[in-house]
Amino acid sequence: GAVVSQHPSWVICKSGTSVKIECRSLDFQATTMFWYRQFPKQSLMLMATSNEGSKATYEQGVEKDKFLINHASLTLSTLTVTSAHPEDSSFYICSASGTGDFTDTQYFGPGTRLTVL
Amino acid sequence: LAKTTQPISMDSYEGQEVNITCSHNNIATNDYITWYQQFPSQGPRFIIQGYKTKVTNEVASLFIPADRKSSTLSLPRVSLSDTAVYYCLVSSGNTGKLIFGQGTTLQVKP
Repeated sequence: GAVVSQHPSWVICKSGTSVKIECRSLDFQATTMFWYRQFPKQSLMLMATSNEGSKATYEQGVEKDKFLINHASLTLSTLTVTSAHPEDSSFYICSASGTGDFTDTQYFGPGTRLTVL
Repeated sequence: LAKTTQPISMDSYEGQEVNITCSHNNIATNDYITWYQQFPSQGPRFIIQGYKTKVTNEVASLFIPADRKSSTLSLPRVSLSDTAVYYCLVSSGNTGKLIFGQGTTLQVKP
């Protein structure tokens, strides 16, 4: 149990384009999903928290108009990087926590490698 | 959220038991302690979670003293494949947020 998937696993795009990353909880209902970013040889940095049906809560310093988060269902959250630039190149990881046995524990997806040219 | 402090790196040999200690002096009443393992270019993998005393599962044990200001992850008989970064985190029971520190890079040698 507690499987979280991400799609795509990697993406290369041109500067100025938008990229959407999907995060799905496959075997449980995720009431809360989190988005992280990780640069090479650094730790994970929390970007935002999203609850199903509510607006995401962004961490200080994260531009909400640039990183659009949608959590429309209990199994799917999306992160859209709008007008991506080379400095947005990073490893994006989502996590999900749910109800019952999956409360209080975050389960992470495999990550999405974004490269902006 | 309580800040955690753990050693930056540790070395071990195959077959040995590895103990990684983490301090979290400002842990709150509702906070849980969770450990994750991360390999390069992968998402963190849940290892174990606890609130107090001792928790054991098929891969590790977690020891938490009564004051909960520290915790120790114990990995029995490590193998080369256990070489990874290990993160100790304190999660808010209210918000569920996790703030990652630098983690402990464990290098297992043959």
